[in-house]
Amino acid sequence: DAMVIQNPRYQVTQFGKPVTLSCSQTLNHNVMYWYQQKSSQAPKLLFHYYDKDFNNEADTPDNFQSRRPNTSFCFLDIRSPGLGDAAMYLCATSPMTGGYEQYFGPGTRLTVT
Amino acid sequence: AQSVAQPEDQVNVAEGNPLTVKCTYSVSGNPYLFWYVQYPNRGLQFLLKYITGDNLVKGSYGFEAEFNKSQTSFHLKKPSALVSDSALYFCAVSGNTGGFKTIFGAGTRLFVKA
Repeated sequence: DAMVIQNPRYQVTQFGKPVTLSCSQTLNHNVMYWYQQKSSQAPKLLFHYYDKDFNNEADTPDNFQSRRPNTSFCFLDIRSPGLGDAAMYLCATSPMTGGYEQYFGPGTRLTVT
Repeated sequence: AQSVAQPEDQVNVAEGNPLTVKCTYSVSGNPYLFWYVQYPNRGLQFLLKYITGDNLVKGSYGFEAEFNKSQTSFHLKKPSALVSDSALYFCAVSGNTGGFKTIFGAGTRLFVKA
């Protein structure tokens, strides 16, 4: 089945130690998103890509970076994680037609110690 | 600016009874409206969408939603709730001129009691 895959599902890192979260998709969607979600709140958009065209939200901290080497893969890099960055990180994709509904991966829960 | 409001933090309903989860929106132009469901420790799952056409939209798992332009609402409904419907529900909106960015509501937790 076509899907969005996130690895790892759970990630523990130390304060200040860089970490990379990965996302892959078999849906062949042009648009990919990274969200941060805390405590069952609304997902907060960090970035999105239309193909390789990168769009950064104005309030996304510089500590967060992203890469999309090809259509299928997207990475979220947190350069110096702080305790406040502990959250669920969600990757999503959407097609270019039909209203841009999003298909989410299962998420990566990040713990910062 | 686009916005979406879910006025209820939690909705409680007995199994077998109809359920409604409320959503109102504000957007320039014609809206694209969505409902998503989230189960514990999982990503969001797309339920249904309204783009144009019939105001009553049917989606997954027996859910439907009614678009009301005059009231700027897009309430989620199901005729007969199941215990397994208990989850967190998000309403979302994007404008048809707003590109790919989607605004999510704060979420409503649905609790269905057996």
